[in-house]
Formats: sequence, C-alpha cells, structure tokens
Amino acid sequence: DQQVKQNSPSLSVQEGRISILNCDYTNSMFDYFLWYKKYPAEGPTFLISISSIKDKNEDGRFTVFLNKSAKHLSLHIVPSQPGDSAVYFCAASATGGYQKVTFGTGTKLQVIP
Amino acid sequence: DAGVIQSPRHEVTEMGQEVTLRCKPISGHNSLFWYRQTMMRGLELLIYFNNNVPIDDSGMPEDRFSAKMPNASFSTLKIQPSEPRDSAVYFCASSPLGTGNGKLFFGSGTQLSVL
Repeated sequence: DQQVKQNSPSLSVQEGRISILNCDYTNSMFDYFLWYKKYPAEGPTFLISISSIKDKNEDGRFTVFLNKSAKHLSLHIVPSQPGDSAVYFCAASATGGYQKVTFGTGTKLQVIP
Repeated sequence: DAGVIQSPRHEVTEMGQEVTLRCKPISGHNSLFWYRQTMMRGLELLIYFNNNVPIDDSGMPEDRFSAKMPNASFSTLKIQPSEPRDSAVYFCASSPLGTGNGKLFFGSGTQLSVL
C-alpha cells in the first residue's frame, strides 16, 4: 500500500520554464513533507520541506505547496535549469513518532537545454 | 566532513550466495536507516536503528534479510540466501536523533545484482 504516491514517473521541461512535480498522500497522520533530489549513482539529498501548519515554503528557485484537504503537495522549480535534471522523491513523516520517513516512487525530471 | 559511507558500491553474486552490505553513518548521528530502491516501490524502509538498537524492522521482507549495528559507527545488512528478486539499490541513511523532521543523510548506495 503506497501511502505516498507520485503518479508521473517522468517529466520533460524546457530550460527556463517552470517544472511542477506532484505528490499525493493517504495517511492523515503525516504532518511533515519533504522533497529529495537524486542524481545517478548518488544517494538522495534533501531539497526542501514543509510543515503541515504551512501551505507554502520557498527556497530560491524551489517552492513547495501543500494542500492538506486534498492531501496533495507539489514542487515548483522556476526557472528550470539543465542541472535540475534528476529524480525527485516526495517523502512524508509523522513527527509524533520516531521520524519514520515514507517515500514515493520518484519522478524523473529532464530539463532540455 | 565525511558523509555516510557504504560498501561495496556494486555487488554481483549468484543466487543462493550470502551478501553483506556495509554502512558507516555520520559521526554523532544516532539514527540509522536501511532503504531499498526499486522502480515499482521507490524507496522502501527496511529497518531503523536508534542508538544501535533496532526499533522498526517491519520492512524487512523475509527471514533471509538480517541487519546488525554492533556499534555507533557500523552497520551491516545481510541477505542469505540471495535471490534474483533482491536485485536493487540498497541505501543506508543516518540522522541526528530528535532533529531534522525526516531530514536524512544518504550514502551513495550499493547496486546489488543477483544472477
């Protein structure tokens, strides 16, 4: 049972345009959400996060939006750059517990120069 | 600072053989996680250690899988006997206890191929 779902396995975007990566979750206990970025032959690295008390968090070109009623979050990258080409994992945790982090299946983003 | 160190980077073995994956977490991190990455299921948590003690092993797929953490600087994941369906990338991650809200630091992974 996938509690964190990324329904788009891949996405292609032109350099300079906006990239939007989507994620849905089913567990109402999740209250902290994260995005990780993974390059080939490397481990995932933390990118940006958002607490359930917020609906938006911004860090440079990266913005994460959270819609709790829809159990949906998205990652916006503006403007997209070729170096952003990677696999992006959505993740969620319930901070009341021991920080078990549940990941989605990932979305492979390709930014075309 | 050295990050999480995993070895080997690649492992090719035959079905039925024993496989041991190794991990050195970041110094001072109290939590250690083993994940497995597959196309179908993404990153799956196999086992979580806190202060060297296994807390959650509900993700370990079968008795063929075992994990140990004999001290704060070393952990192993063992598969015995290995099967072709175990082929995947195995990641080790660590985090400071009580901080980070899910911010994990991952190693570069071990690409396991079981023929």
